[in-house]
Amino acid sequence: GQSLEQPSEVTAVEGAIVQINCTYQTSGFYGLSWYQQHDGGAPTFLSYNALDGLEETGRFSSFLSRSDSYGYLLLQELQMKDSASYFCAVGNQAGTALIFGKGTTLSVSS
Amino acid sequence: EAGVAQSPRYKIIEKRQSVAFWCNPISGHATLYWYQQILGQGPKLLIQFQNNGVVDDSQLPKDRFSAERLKGVDSTLKIQPAKLEDSAVYLCASSLVGDRSQETQYFGPGTRLLVL
Repeated sequence: GQSLEQPSEVTAVEGAIVQINCTYQTSGFYGLSWYQQHDGGAPTFLSYNALDGLEETGRFSSFLSRSDSYGYLLLQELQMKDSASYFCAVGNQAGTALIFGKGTTLSVSS
Repeated sequence: EAGVAQSPRYKIIEKRQSVAFWCNPISGHATLYWYQQILGQGPKLLIQFQNNGVVDDSQLPKDRFSAERLKGVDSTLKIQPAKLEDSAVYLCASSLVGDRSQETQYFGPGTRLLVL
């Protein structure tokens, strides 16, 4: 089977740093993506890792370790608007659709 | 640049009825995906098109679901007859073609279906 595991909920306060972990078990691996989805909204692309290491995009960073089948999304300087669900997703091979995890609900309080 | 368009945004039907959803992808995006998102879960692929050809429909319940993309642009997803467990958000996404096309998929706002 194919599975992606991520925590169901994370809470934090404004200005803090939070890390959302994702471990995956899939038949193939082409890359790990992260998407953000606000309540009632569409998923929007945040970050992508095809190779080991850290990718930084503003306040968000994503890390991948292919040997450990593990990645994480790091959100810094949290803001209230970051309250949303965050999904990790794996592409099995080039050009295929994504397999999504169940999502992590992040709640940011003041 | 206009985003992915979907209609209707909401639909309520009774079980055993039929329903159709429409999607217009971003101009120039050859790959189109239909995902089903059940409350509290991540999107699950139903079908993937490249231009007007089907790339992957392995998770599409073909006894009741059908989809087409006749001219390689917009697409229609149909459910006939609907079951209670089909209540979900149906998301359409599109992307460019290429080795890293899956890197960035652009999602539409979705159609929220409630089957009573």
